[in-house]
Amino acid sequence: AQTVTQSQPEMSVQEAETVTLSCTYDTSENNYYLFWYKQPPSRQMILVIRQEAYKQQNATENRFSVNFQKAAKSFSLKISDSQLGDTAMYFCAFMTSNFGNEKLTFGTGTRLTIIP
Amino acid sequence: DTGVSQDPRHKITKRGQNVTFRCDPISEHNRLYWYRQTLGQGPEFLTYFQNEAQLEKSRLLSDRFSAERPKGSFSTLEIQRTEQGDSAMYLCASSLGSTRELQYFGPGTRLTVT
Repeated sequence: AQTVTQSQPEMSVQEAETVTLSCTYDTSENNYYLFWYKQPPSRQMILVIRQEAYKQQNATENRFSVNFQKAAKSFSLKISDSQLGDTAMYFCAFMTSNFGNEKLTFGTGTRLTIIP
Repeated sequence: DTGVSQDPRHKITKRGQNVTFRCDPISEHNRLYWYRQTLGQGPEFLTYFQNEAQLEKSRLLSDRFSAERPKGSFSTLEIQRTEQGDSAMYLCASSLGSTRELQYFGPGTRLTVT
């Protein structure tokens, strides 16, 4: 079974600064996907960024980038030039590439607050 | 594309009552997923459908829970004889077969069992 661990329950950072959220996972699979989801207060879950395990290049989406270390089973999210709208719960998630096993396994989340 | 919708958004019920939630996926998405999220936790997988076929059920889905997707479009999740421990946010997501890893979530139904 796969597990996802987020060791930072809460973080806060000043607006315009850079913040990094940590995530580690455990799996025996070789091919899989990793995700960061954002859940703003009282709003729905939104996919922020996706990484395919077979790709060595780290994924980037505008101000969001990841540091994927497959051997270490680490998948951190870096938010650059943080904005007030980035305030949310952030969940790291795992999904195997195997067809027929399509569930997302989530970590417990990191509550990020951007301070004006 | 109107996104994934869920109804109702909030439900308060008394212990022992039955409740039913509905999820409408993004049109043309053939996969539909149900998750449960309790306070302070990440979502936990309950079950998923490919078209009308229910392909996987979590051990979290006790006998009191049943999910259907009769025509491969909308889905319902029913909880019978609700218990206080069922209080949670119930999330629905959908995806397209060719990009099944991209699950789009609805706003959720928050269930409170008193």
